[in-house]
Formats: sequence, structure tokens, C-alpha cells
Amino acid sequence: AQSVSQHNHHVILSEAASLELGCNYSYGGTVNLFWYVQYPGQHLQLLLKYFSGDPLVKGIKGFEAEFIKSKFSFNLRKPSVQWSDTAEYFCAVRSYNQGGKLIFGQGTELSVKP
Amino acid sequence: GAVVSQHPSRVICKSGTSVKIECRSLDFQATTMFWYRQFPKQSLMLMATSNEGSKATYEQGVEKDKFLINHASLTLSTLTVTSAHPEDSSFYICSASKGEGQNEQFFGPGTRLTVL
Repeated sequence: AQSVSQHNHHVILSEAASLELGCNYSYGGTVNLFWYVQYPGQHLQLLLKYFSGDPLVKGIKGFEAEFIKSKFSFNLRKPSVQWSDTAEYFCAVRSYNQGGKLIFGQGTELSVKP
Repeated sequence: GAVVSQHPSRVICKSGTSVKIECRSLDFQATTMFWYRQFPKQSLMLMATSNEGSKATYEQGVEKDKFLINHASLTLSTLTVTSAHPEDSSFYICSASKGEGQNEQFFGPGTRLTVL
């Protein structure tokens, strides 16, 4: 079945460690790619998005993601995490082959130890 | 800009009753609104897409007679869970976009429904 897959369910890091969260999708055709963050008790916020152009996109709070079309991947990275980055992270894909709906990955919980 | 609100934020109801959840775009007109359901520690699952003035499009497996969606204006969509049962307990999240689903979706804070 076509899907969006996030490799890690729960990631635990110490402050200043580097972060990479994996996201793979299986939709063909044109896709838009998103990373959302959900801080405890808060609503979903957009971190960054890729529509076209430079496959390396920069988002808010020092996050970036790289679209690798050949690998159907859109991994999220941050060179040095902070305690305040503790949150749930969701990758989402909008495939025009799927009617333009947003399909979410299962989420990755990030816990950053101070 | 692009703020979406939901009301109520939390609701507890008895089994068999109906519950209405409102989703409002506060500072923009939302041609399209989306309703999602999120189970604990799981992803958001799209329930339905609604366009202002027309019937909602439900995802496979979502009962349209149980989850009634109305998008009466460009700033308001409502989700009514009819004859709620404990298995309907969940976190319901709406989002709104300014275009025909081509644009970014802005998410509401969610509504926690608990059915006793």
C-alpha cells in the first residue's frame, strides 16, 4: 500500500547532539513534502515544506530537510538540538495522484535531555 | 495570520449523545477545510474534506452518517459526532487552506473527545 513511513518511533538525544529523522514515501508523480511539529499540548505547526526547486530546504528554528527523489525520501535534520525541540514530528506528503490530500507519517517523538 | 481555532478544546459526553465541534479560520477565508482524527501516539488520519457550500468528501471507512460535516461559510466548518460511543473517543483536528487544497494547510489546536 502507498504510504508515508517514518523510521523512528521515539528518538532520545542529549542537547547539542545532531538530529536526523527519516521519512520515506511511496507515491509516484508530483509530490509536495512537509514536516510538521507538535509541541506538547499545542497544535501542529509547519516546520518546512518542499514544492519544487532546491531539494535542500530550510525551515524555522534551524531545521532543514533534503528531498532525494531517487530515494523517495525527505529526511529532517538539525545540527544541534535543544531541550525545547522536544516534540512530536510528522512528515506529510501531498500527492497529486492521491487527489491532493495530505498523508501523514506515523510521527516520531523526540525527547531531548538537558 | 492564518489562525485556525476549534471549539470546544475538550468535551466529555455520555454514550449515545451527539457532539458538535466547530472549526473557524479567524483571519482568512478557507475554501477548503479538512477533518482529521488522531489516536494516542499515532498519526493524523484524514476523515473528510469539505468545501464551502458543497457536500463533504469522506475517506474510505469513515461513516458519513455518523460524522456529519457542514461547511456553511468560508470561515466555519462543523463536525458532529452523532450517537457517540466510547470508541469515538479521540483527538479531532481540523485544518483549513486558502485554496483548492493546493496551498498550505493551517491546523487548529484540536478537540479532545471523551465518550463515557
